[in-house]
Amino acid sequence: GAGVSQSPRYKVAKRGQDVALRCDPISGHVSLFWYQQALGQGPEFLTYFQNEAQLDKSGLPSDRFFAERPEGSVSTLKIQRTQQEDSAVYLCASSYSDWGDNEQFFGPGTRLTVL
Amino acid sequence: EDQVTQSPEALRLQEGESSSLNCSYTVSGLRGLFWYRQDPGKGPEFLFTLYSAGEEKEKERLKATLTKKESFLHITAPKPEDSATYLCAVQSPATSGTYKYIFGTGTRLKVLA
Repeated sequence: GAGVSQSPRYKVAKRGQDVALRCDPISGHVSLFWYQQALGQGPEFLTYFQNEAQLDKSGLPSDRFFAERPEGSVSTLKIQRTQQEDSAVYLCASSYSDWGDNEQFFGPGTRLTVL
Repeated sequence: EDQVTQSPEALRLQEGESSSLNCSYTVSGLRGLFWYRQDPGKGPEFLFTLYSAGEEKEKERLKATLTKKESFLHITAPKPEDSATYLCAVQSPATSGTYKYIFGTGTRLKVLA
């Protein structure tokens, strides 16, 4: 069975460019989370989807960050006008339970470097 | 303010030398405490979920315990393949009626052969 996949695995952007990061969760998983992980730190919550509904976006750092999951499966995290402080690993996780009450299955992450 | 603190930041053990990792938390209400293992360049891998004080769970050489203020991850007779960063996360109710997840910064474990 396939796990959570993310693409691209690595992305280099010039400051000011827009980027789109994709997450393919495990089929049938209700919950989908996005996290940002800086080097040497734990993941920081960005946003949460339950099916296609974005129930929590309190962790998005600014209005340059936007996430969607239009059909309740694949999700895209978009960052507009990237800044150097956006450089980090972006992790996606999915769960079969509401709010990920049991376990979250993480993808390998997308490492974003903004020059 | 809700927070999760893990200690030590880094730990070096000889193969077979048992030890414990600590996760202290301060939250308004605990819905669940999670332990994950993360290898370099990979996403976290789920280990355990604990829901209430006094609960314990085991998996191979790992055992997780929970009190009202902290959780311990006990590693018995570790092997080099146990080397990884161990992350603790807490799920608690948010004021908005949703739930928030707070991860600690992790403990980097190195087990020497």
